[in-house]
Amino acid sequence: QQQVKQSPQSLIVQKGGISIINCAYENTAFDYFPWYQQFPGKGPALLIAIRPDVSEKKEGRFTISFNKSAKQFSLHIMDSQPGDSATYFCAAGSGGYNKLIFGAGTRLAVHP
Amino acid sequence: SAVISQKPSRDICQRGTSLTIQCQVDSQVTMMFWYRQQPGQSLTLIATANQGSEATYESGFVIDKFPISRPNLTFSTLTVSNMSPEDSSIYLCSVRGRGTGELFFGEGSRLTVL
Repeated sequence: QQQVKQSPQSLIVQKGGISIINCAYENTAFDYFPWYQQFPGKGPALLIAIRPDVSEKKEGRFTISFNKSAKQFSLHIMDSQPGDSATYFCAAGSGGYNKLIFGAGTRLAVHP
Repeated sequence: SAVISQKPSRDICQRGTSLTIQCQVDSQVTMMFWYRQQPGQSLTLIATANQGSEATYESGFVIDKFPISRPNLTFSTLTVSNMSPEDSSIYLCSVRGRGTGELFFGEGSRLTVL
C-alpha cells in the first residue's frame, strides 16, 4: 500500500513533442505529490509538486495532472527539449512530507 | 531552497571497511534525511536524523550498519559499516526547505565497494 507505481520505465520523444509520465498510488493518506528531475551524477531536483485539492498545476512547460478518484497523477512536458533528457521520479508523501515514497523512475531521452 | 554539500562525492572502498559521509546544510534544519539510490534504481529512505536524539531507521536498515550522527542543526554524518559490494550505491542527504516543507537533495556520495 506504500508503493508508488511509475510508468513507463523509459521514454523517447522527439524534440518539440510531449512527454508523458504516469504514476499511481494506493495509500489515500498521501496528500503531497512531487516530481523530481535527476541528471547523471547529480542529486534529484524538485521540479513541480501538487496537492490533492487541485486537479492540475502548470509551471512553464511542465504540468502535473492529478486524478484523486483514480489515485493517479502524471507529468506532462510540453515542447520537450534535448536538455530535458534526464531521469524523472514521481513521489508521494503525507503528514508534513517527512517521508516520501518514490516511484521507480523514468529515463527520458529527447532526440533533436 | 537549501544548499546541501556532501563529502566525499565519490569513493572506492574495500570490502569490510567503513566509510563516513558528511552532509552540511547552509541553514539550520530540524530534520535531515538519508536516502540510498542503488545503481539504476529509485530512492529509498534509510533514516531520519533529528538533532539531539537517536535517528529513526526505516524497515530494512539498522543502526549497526548505518550509524548516523547529528551533532547540530546544520550537519550530519552517515557511516556505512563493514561494507560489501551490495552497499555500492549513491547515498543522498536531504532536508526540508523552510516554509513549503519541500524536500531538497544534495549531489550525493557515490560509493563503489570492491
